[in-house]
Amino acid sequence: QVQLQQSGTELVKPGSSLKLSCKASGYTFTDYAMQAVKQRPGQGLEWIGYILPWNGVTDYNQKFKGKATLTVDTSSNTAYMELSRLTSDDSAVYYCARSAITMAPFDYWGQGVMVTVSS
Amino acid sequence: DIQMTQSPASLSASLEEIVTITCQASQDIGNWLSWYQQKPGKSPQLLIYGATSLADGVPSRFSGSRSGTQYSLKISRLQVEDIGIYYCLQAYSAPLTFGSGTKLEIK
Repeated sequence: QVQLQQSGTELVKPGSSLKLSCKASGYTFTDYAMQAVKQRPGQGLEWIGYILPWNGVTDYNQKFKGKATLTVDTSSNTAYMELSRLTSDDSAVYYCARSAITMAPFDYWGQGVMVTVSS
Repeated sequence: DIQMTQSPASLSASLEEIVTITCQASQDIGNWLSWYQQKPGKSPQLLIYGATSLADGVPSRFSGSRSGTQYSLKISRLQVEDIGIYYCLQAYSAPLTFGSGTKLEIK
């Protein structure tokens, strides 16, 4: 069965960077786009961007350019999102989600990873 | 950016009642609209895609419809397991945008 397993809860200091992982299983990793979504505590969902694992092409919400960087390792079927220059505004749950094409519905989601930025 | 105006923000309904949630797109998005359910403490789950198609494994009491740029999610007979927050998502053009969510509770 399709699974997206995300890395665990993170507590990081302001100004630091962080790399989150999303390991895919149960399907051919390079056949689907991987999306990234942010959800601040008690708030709605916000699209960060996507990466195409077969060629590494990315597209980002303008709001997250310079903040989030999506990469993949096809040898381990893992997608990564690096978040840089972290502030309290970056404290949120981050999800990875699969979609058949870049603009397709998100049919499987990871469990989410809680990131807390605090000194 | 395309704005998705979702209403109502919250909704309290009785078991077996019909519930309708709507999303109004700020411009034409065709059928590039999907609906998600997020239960407390869980990841969102796909309910409806292509505005009207039911995702695999989703109960048939859920349905989606479209009238122009207005999209609706209907739950025909509300069940206790349907509580949660519902979101629409437009994938017509980047940046993809979600509605603000509808919190559904049982009366």
